[in-house]
Amino acid sequence: NAGVTQTPKFRVLKTGQSMTLLCAQDMNHEYMYWYRQDPGMGLRLIHYSVGEGTTAKGEVPDGYNVSRLKKQNFLLGLESAAPSQTSVYFCASSSPRPGQIYEQYFGPGTRLTVT
Amino acid sequence: QQQVKQSPQSLIVQKGGISIINCAYENTAFDYFPWYQQFPGKGPALLIAIRPDVSEKKEGRFTISFNKSAKQFSLHIMDSQPGDSATYFCAAMGGSEKLVFGKGMKLTVNP
Repeated sequence: NAGVTQTPKFRVLKTGQSMTLLCAQDMNHEYMYWYRQDPGMGLRLIHYSVGEGTTAKGEVPDGYNVSRLKKQNFLLGLESAAPSQTSVYFCASSSPRPGQIYEQYFGPGTRLTVT
Repeated sequence: QQQVKQSPQSLIVQKGGISIINCAYENTAFDYFPWYQQFPGKGPALLIAIRPDVSEKKEGRFTISFNKSAKQFSLHIMDSQPGDSATYFCAAMGGSEKLVFGKGMKLTVNP
């Protein structure tokens, strides 16, 4: 199993450009998440999904959109990139099971720089 | 409003020493408290977790201590090793499938 994979690993954008980050998981997980990680700020939830075709806002959703058309994929879009969106983006997935330790599995991250 | 407060922000210990990371939370609905470990250039990974029905959980050199009345929990790393050098995040969850993370602590273990 590859687990959680993210594409691309690195990207540099100019202000105003758009892009889509792709997250894929092969663990048949119901839930998927997008976080951003900034120095001294920890991990902040951008958007999440509790199942195919559903999405919800997290703590810092402004400037981002998401789609979950297939259970295994979760896309994060930036329509008009801003320097404030320079960050490392992590995707995670999980599938809660009663009586079991709950764990979110994280991808390797995408480092995005907006100039 | 920061729901999970983590301290210190960074810590340097010598090999063989004890590393202690503290977290405090406010939301009494939280009922699950994991710790994640992140190495440079990697995604976080679950290290150890606890539910509030126990006050302590130990896995090898890693121990979580939980104080429900004080709304605090901590991670103790015994016999710290250079390979433990990483960033550690505490987190909390309750009432939903969303984790709330602390801001993280960078641990450096010197040989």
